[in-house]
Amino acid sequence: SQQGEEDPQALSIQEGENATMNCSYKTSINNLQWYRQNSGRGLVHLILIRSNEREKHSGRLRVTLDTSKKSSSLLITASRAADTASYFCATDADTNAGKSTFGDGTTLTVKP
Amino acid sequence: NAGVTQTPKFQVLKTGQSMTLQCAQDMNHNSMYWYRQDPGMGLRLIYYSASEGTTDKGEVPNGYNVSRLNKREFSLRLESAAPSQTSVYFCASRNGWVEAFFGQGTRLTVV
Repeated sequence: SQQGEEDPQALSIQEGENATMNCSYKTSINNLQWYRQNSGRGLVHLILIRSNEREKHSGRLRVTLDTSKKSSSLLITASRAADTASYFCATDADTNAGKSTFGDGTTLTVKP
Repeated sequence: NAGVTQTPKFQVLKTGQSMTLQCAQDMNHNSMYWYRQDPGMGLRLIYYSASEGTTDKGEVPNGYNVSRLNKREFSLRLESAAPSQTSVYFCASRNGWVEAFFGQGTRLTVV
């Protein structure tokens, strides 16, 4: 079964609004990554947060990690139509160096 | 700097046919991976290679074989394709516990 599970499965918002996606996982991790996938394309790395970090920022992206709840959230502020894509979290468990496990993703639609 | 290159981009096979998916990276990464992605789902690991000369099974290895030809290249072989192997296949590479770089995918249909 998948280590990471995203919530919600789908999200539709207006341009300019914020989008929040959540990821839950099951086992102890070394790090958690967020990726974006545009339709029919490969995955593009967005941000990586390590288990000893609680929050990271990159441009309009903000990622939080709560290891006690085994959960992470990705916030995209001031969304744009170009942010329309699927977003996946992936985790590297402590015991499986380099073998990321992916969730099923959140499909984000940003309406102009 | 091309990153991760996969060939072919599209392929249609008949049940029972064999084929090899090719992957090459030019980033001098030690680790390489093959994933499959079924509609509406995330990526599932088929096989990975932590370093040149080593390979190991992932979550869904049945029906596949791999070869780490050298540090740059990691191929995935389907010996006898089945309709259940219809999927999009992604190759990725990375060095340690950092971000992975993905190819553009191979869309495979088995009829």
